[in-house]
Amino acid sequence: GAGVSQSPRYKVAKRGQDVALRCDPISGHVSLFWYQQALGQGPEFLTYFQNEAQLDKSGLPSDRFFAERPEGSVSTLKIQRTQQEDSAVYLCASSRGRNTDFSTDTQYFGPGTRLTVL
Amino acid sequence: AQRVTQPEKLLSVFKGAPVELKCNYSYSGSPELFWYVQYSRQRLQLLLRHISRESIKGFTADLNKGETSFHLKKPFAQEEDSAMYYCALSLYNFNKFYFGSGTKLNVKP
Repeated sequence: GAGVSQSPRYKVAKRGQDVALRCDPISGHVSLFWYQQALGQGPEFLTYFQNEAQLDKSGLPSDRFFAERPEGSVSTLKIQRTQQEDSAVYLCASSRGRNTDFSTDTQYFGPGTRLTVL
Repeated sequence: AQRVTQPEKLLSVFKGAPVELKCNYSYSGSPELFWYVQYSRQRLQLLLRHISRESIKGFTADLNKGETSFHLKKPFAQEEDSAMYYCALSLYNFNKFYFGSGTKLNVKP
C-alpha cells in the first residue's frame, strides 16, 4: 500500500513569507508526528496528533509554527513569517497508535519537505 | 532531559570488515531504543528495535543499561550497508522520539 506522502517535496520561500506543508499519513493510522531536521542533524520532534487531537506541541520552536489535523487524517504544518533558521527538512511520520506499556508503535516516515528560506 | 549521542559523524570500513556504530543515551528510566536507517534517496525507515531482539540484515544491537549504550554491530559489512544510521530513544507508551545526530556509514569495496 501507499506510504506516508508529503507535499511539496521542495519549497523555497522568501523571508517573511508564510508556508504550508502537507502530510498524508498511511490510511487508518491514528497517530501523526512532525519532525524538523536541520542539516547534519537528526530529526527533532515538533508535534504529535492522535486522530484530530494535538496531544503534544512541546517541540514547536515558536508561535510562528502551527499544525492542524482537522479530520484526523491529512495534516498541515504552517510556518508564518518564515526566517532563515526555519530552513530544514520537515518530516512527517504516522503510526497505528497501538502503544502498549512495553512497546512504542513503529513510526513510518514520509520523504520529507525540504524548506529553504532565502 | 533525554539525550541520544552518536559520537561518529562518519565511519568508513572496507567490505567484509566488522562494523560498530556507537550510540549512548542519557535517561534515568527505562527507554525503548531503536536504530533507523536512511539509504541514499530513500526515506527514514526502522532497522531494528531493542525489544525485538532481532537480527535485521545481519545487524544486531544490544541494550546495555549499565553503560547506557545501544551500539549497532555487523560482523561483515557489505557495500549495500552504506547509509545514514540514526539511533533513537522513546519512552514506553509515549509518542516522542529523540534522535541522535546520525552516523554515515561508508563501506568501501
